Amino acid sequence: AQSVTQLDSQVPVFEEAPVELRCNYSSSVSVYLFWYVQYPNQGLQLLLKYLSGSTLVKGINGFEAEFNKSQTSFHLRKPSVHISDTAEYFCAVTQGAQKLVFGQGTRLTINP
Amino acid sequence: DTAVSQTPKYLVTQMGNDKSIKCEQNLGHDTMYWYKQDSKKFLKIMFSYNNKELIINETVPNRFSPKSPDKAHLNLHINSLELGDSAVYFCASSQSDFYTGELFFGEGSRLTVL
Repeated sequence: AQSVTQLDSQVPVFEEAPVELRCNYSSSVSVYLFWYVQYPNQGLQLLLKYLSGSTLVKGINGFEAEFNKSQTSFHLRKPSVHISDTAEYFCAVTQGAQKLVFGQGTRLTINP
Repeated sequence: DTAVSQTPKYLVTQMGNDKSIKCEQNLGHDTMYWYKQDSKKFLKIMFSYNNKELIINETVPNRFSPKSPDKAHLNLHINSLELGDSAVYFCASSQSDFYTGELFFGEGSRLTVL
């Protein structure tokens, strides 16, 4: 079965600094990979997804992620963060036709 | 107009009670889900319905009974509530061609069992 591991439970960064949130997946078959964001007291919303094609995927709010098959990773990056990026970020992978399996989440805290 | 709406947003109740959470989506999606998020923010799928038919049941205790009267609604009824049921329950929906992987989530229903 597919699974995802988010390597950092918390990531504090200063405003306007770059950030990388790490995600590794395990799967023996082709996968579809996703990053979701959860702002405080809200539901999750899709940031970006990798289905096929270019390994560099751009999403909303200036985020991007790179699919690396050899390292089984799908790390999320942003070159310059803003206070409003403070949220919980979840990496996810499809498992079967209609099931999304989430990682443990990474809390991104932006300090002024 | 809220795409996926859940009610109630907050629910505080005693152990042993029965409670329900309702979910409605106005996106025209065929598939709806219930996810449970525990105190450590871990999200786990509980159920999935496609066009009113149960597709996924993740070995959830049978105290939990989902009901889908039509493809726009998926309700969750919980009998004999236990302390461990305290969590945030998220409803979500997606197109039936799920491989696009985009789920649309409601804002969650925070259940506290005392």
